[in-house]
Amino acid sequence: ELKVEQNPLFLSMQEGKNYTIYCNYSTTSDRLYWYRQDPGKSLESLFVLLSNGAVKQEGRLMASLDTKARLSTLHITAAVHDLSATYFCAVDTGSARQLTFGSGTQLTVLP
Amino acid sequence: KAGVTQTPRYLIKTRGQQVTLSCSPISGHRSVSWYQQTPGQGLQFLFEYFSETQRNKGNFPGRFSGRQFSNSRSEMNVSTLELGDSALYLCASSLNSQGPRAYGYTFGSGTRLTVV
Repeated sequence: ELKVEQNPLFLSMQEGKNYTIYCNYSTTSDRLYWYRQDPGKSLESLFVLLSNGAVKQEGRLMASLDTKARLSTLHITAAVHDLSATYFCAVDTGSARQLTFGSGTQLTVLP
Repeated sequence: KAGVTQTPRYLIKTRGQQVTLSCSPISGHRSVSWYQQTPGQGLQFLFEYFSETQRNKGNFPGRFSGRQFSNSRSEMNVSTLELGDSALYLCASSLNSQGPRAYGYTFGSGTRLTVV
């Protein structure tokens, strides 16, 4: 059974600081996704990582994938309050045609 | 380009009743999958449909069912509602053809179901 673990589950950080969210998964996968969710809202797609060594950046967020280590990271640079949200990673394996989600990281950026 | 449309946005039902939720995918997307989100269990996969066929099902009781129509719109049904079925139900639309699946999943706004 595929397991996806995120850490930390809760992250409180000061504006302007950098931090990294980690996503580990237990079986081979060729696709990893990062989503953002604001309270009471749906999931907004941030990144789709398709291969080993993939790195994608959008604004203050950068995601990377190491399939050999079964690890993805979401790095936040110079955090701003607008980044406060819950971030989920999800893994899509082979022919399963389903996403298995991590527990989410609730990020709060403090002024 | 229209996104994924879910209706209704909110529902309040009584235990024992049944409910039907609807999802219209992005035009051209043939795969629709459903997820349940609760504070305790997080995001869990319910089922996935492609070309009117259920291709995969998650670990949920038979009270949860779904279908997909020829226009790719999908419905999910929950019968004999229990308090624990209170959740945000999200549907996701994907190109997800028989070949490479490089386009990811786009989620709708969700239906928040409250069972009282």
